[in-house]
Amino acid sequence: DQQVKQNSPSLSVQEGRISILNCDYTNSMFDYFLWYKKYPAEGPTFLISISSIKDKNEDGRFTVFLNKSAKHLSLHIVPSQPGDSAVYFCAASRYSGGGADGLTFGKGTHLIIQP
Amino acid sequence: GAGVSQSPSNKVTEKGKDVELRCDPISGHTALYWYRQSLGQGLEFLIYFQGNSAPDKSGLPSDRFSAERTGGSVSTLTIQRTQQEDSAVYLCASSLGRNNEKLFFGSGTQLSVL
Repeated sequence: DQQVKQNSPSLSVQEGRISILNCDYTNSMFDYFLWYKKYPAEGPTFLISISSIKDKNEDGRFTVFLNKSAKHLSLHIVPSQPGDSAVYFCAASRYSGGGADGLTFGKGTHLIIQP
Repeated sequence: GAGVSQSPSNKVTEKGKDVELRCDPISGHTALYWYRQSLGQGLEFLIYFQGNSAPDKSGLPSDRFSAERTGGSVSTLTIQRTQQEDSAVYLCASSLGRNNEKLFFGSGTQLSVL
């Protein structure tokens, strides 16, 4: 039973446009969410996070939106750049500070930015 | 070191052999984690260490898997009598403390069991 779902295995976006990556979760106990980015042959790197007390968190070109009632979050990248081409993992935890051992990861979405 | 270092980067082994994977975390990071990513799957949590102690080993897939950490630093993940389903990328990550979910990952070890 997959508790964190990224239903789009891949997404292709034109350079300069907005990229929207979606993530759904089923466990209502999840309270803290993170996005990681992974290039080929490298480990994932932390990108941005959001706590359930917020519905939006912004960091430069990256914004994460959280809709708790829908159990849905999305990562917006605008404008998209070629270096954004990577696999993006959504992760969820029961609470911030609960430990990364409690993180549940989705399967990832491969974002391809086309020139 | 500057980042989390894992070795080897690639390992090809025959079914039934034992393998040992090594992780050198960022200096000063007390928490260390092992994850596995099989083809087409998300990251699967295996085990974590707080210092040299591993409070929860329930994520290890079978008793063929074991891990240890010494000196609060280097960790090794050992897989005995490898099976083909063990083929995956094994990722190590560290963080400042267990209560910090912002992980710093190594590049992983690609394990292929023939």
